[in-house]
Amino acid sequence: EVRLEESGGDLVQPGGSLRLACVASGFTFSSYWMHWVRQVPGKGLVWVSRIHGDSVSTAYADSVRGRFTVSRDNAKNTIYLQMNNLRVEDTAVYYCARDRENYDTLDYWGQGTLVSVSS
Amino acid sequence: DIQMTQSPSSVSVSVGDSVTMTCRASQNIGNWLAWYQQKPGKAPKLLIYSASSLHTGVSLSVSGSGFGTDFTLTINNLQPEDVATYYCQQSNSFPPTFGGGTKVEIK
Repeated sequence: EVRLEESGGDLVQPGGSLRLACVASGFTFSSYWMHWVRQVPGKGLVWVSRIHGDSVSTAYADSVRGRFTVSRDNAKNTIYLQMNNLRVEDTAVYYCARDRENYDTLDYWGQGTLVSVSS
Repeated sequence: DIQMTQSPSSVSVSVGDSVTMTCRASQNIGNWLAWYQQKPGKAPKLLIYSASSLHTGVSLSVSGSGFGTDFTLTINNLQPEDVATYYCQQSNSFPPTFGGGTKVEIK
């Protein structure tokens, strides 16, 4: 069974930093691209970032490029999202998700972790 | 970025009836379209990929169709457990983008 479990969400002040983690199980982790998607409570889904299985390639939404960094540790079946210089508008539930066939279709999602940015 | 527009934004349907919702892309995306279901307070779940292929374990009452710019998701014999918001998402061009969602409620 594919399982994804996020952690690390918290309340942080504007300008602060946070690192999210997503632990995966139930599949050959290193073979899959992984993504982060966020959702402001009550609003729609917004893609944030992607990392390839070998970590060589990463990609970001314009709204977070230069502030967020995605990484992974295939030995620990874990991906991370380092979030720096956080803004109020970064407040959202952050989901990690597995890419079905490395074509940006997300077949399994974690339960999400809430990041709140407020003074 | 490719814009994805879903309609209607919400719909109310009787148990046992069918519901069809649409998703329109701002440019041709071929069949690079997925549909997700998100129940209240839960994570999204993949229903359909490649516009019409059913994800593992998804009920046969769900179907998708379309190509190019116009796509539809149909749920037959609607049940109370189908109450959710449904999102489309294109993966033809970077960045992947989602529609605004269609909220399905029971009448």
